[in-house]
Amino acid sequence: QQQVKQSPQSLIVQKGGISIINCAYENTAFDYFPWYQQFPGKGPALLIAIRPDVSEKKEGRFTISFNKSAKQFSLHIMDSQPGDSATYFCAASMLSPLGQNFVFGPGTRLSVLP
Amino acid sequence: DAGVTQSPTHLIKTRGQQVTLRCSPKSGHDTVSWYQQALGQGPQFIFQYYEEEERQRGNFPDRFSGHQFPNYSSELNVNALLLGDSALYLCASTLAGRGSNEKLFFGSGTQLSVL
Repeated sequence: QQQVKQSPQSLIVQKGGISIINCAYENTAFDYFPWYQQFPGKGPALLIAIRPDVSEKKEGRFTISFNKSAKQFSLHIMDSQPGDSATYFCAASMLSPLGQNFVFGPGTRLSVLP
Repeated sequence: DAGVTQSPTHLIKTRGQQVTLRCSPKSGHDTVSWYQQALGQGPQFIFQYYEEEERQRGNFPDRFSGHQFPNYSSELNVNALLLGDSALYLCASTLAGRGSNEKLFFGSGTQLSVL
């Protein structure tokens, strides 16, 4: 129940194309869903996040779509650029009296071809 | 504004040895979490420290222990190292309190290799 599933494992997109990464969860107690971007040799960095009370959130070229009934959410990267080439992790967390901890998906390695 | 800093960046140990990893949180942050990231996998939660106490713990054996100091910096200790402990160890800091404790700031990690 604590797992977050993520697909695809890897993705190759042409410059200017749309990159789509999908995640699914089981635990309906999760109430915060962030996406992290990780470059080689670096720690993950928060990209964008959403709560289950909205179905979509957009920040620049990055959009999260959230389907509460299906327990799925996805990251869309519009006009993908070679600089977007990185590994992307979806995550889920829930607030408890002890604070929050995060469950991460296994990651998607994105390559954007010039 | 200094971000999360971790030391050392790389470490090589042999089976059975003990290791200590260090983390300084982002300025103004009071909560430190540790994650293990195996090659090709997502980060896995080890534990979280707040007010110098372990507040939450993931599914890791007692060989993994930690400490938080009054200045909010933290250490991760791993005893009796196994080959399977080879991974990137990430420290993340947040500020306690609803809304702010959701934003994890990660360091660049310590790459531990156990031979």
